[in-house]
Amino acid sequence: EPEVTQTPSHQVTQMGQEVILRCVPISNHLYFYWYRQILGQKVEFLVSFYNNEISEKSEIFDDQFSVERPDGSNFTLKIRSTKLEDSAMYFCASARDTEAFFGQGTRLTVV
Amino acid sequence: EDQVTQSPEALRLQEGESSSLNCSYTVSGLRGLFWYRQDPGKGPEFLFTLYSAGEEKEKERLKATLTKKESFLHITAPKPEDSATYLCAARGWYGGATNKLIFGTGTLLAVQP
Repeated sequence: EPEVTQTPSHQVTQMGQEVILRCVPISNHLYFYWYRQILGQKVEFLVSFYNNEISEKSEIFDDQFSVERPDGSNFTLKIRSTKLEDSAMYFCASARDTEAFFGQGTRLTVV
Repeated sequence: EDQVTQSPEALRLQEGESSSLNCSYTVSGLRGLFWYRQDPGKGPEFLFTLYSAGEEKEKERLKATLTKKESFLHITAPKPEDSATYLCAARGWYGGATNKLIFGTGTLLAVQP
């Protein structure tokens, strides 16, 4: 069964460093998303991507964040200068229409 | 502001003891109500989508229903492997090409043998 794949599963980084989280969405899907979940809190929308551009972003998704789909298969989230409060599980999701399928997440720990 | 509220926060059941989880939503122009299952340290696993009041969907021991203000996830004769956090999410009408989901905080279900 097709699935969304995320790497790495866990990343520890120093505050102020750049991180890139990677995702391989399901191959025939058209919509791509990043969500995050701070420990013990709700899953929160960050950004949606369609037709090679951002279609919507939340207030959380400020200038420190960027997304790319560099080729036909990968979808990345870059955080330019990480802060302690960026520590969370980051989930990539993809959808052919309205039903989004999530990856297993990358646990980002900023120290 | 769009909002999704789930109750109870946690539920402990004996194996075989049926119950229901509640999801209340306030969303402009609902374009889908979604249920996901989340195991610890994992991503949400898609269960159901409901689009209109009165709609019902079933999968094994789970049945999801939808009204104009709420959705219920009914669990019939649960087993220990049904233990997980169940997330409700809603998609409203936001225009353009976005399908963003607004999530509730989830219900942590524990089924004891």
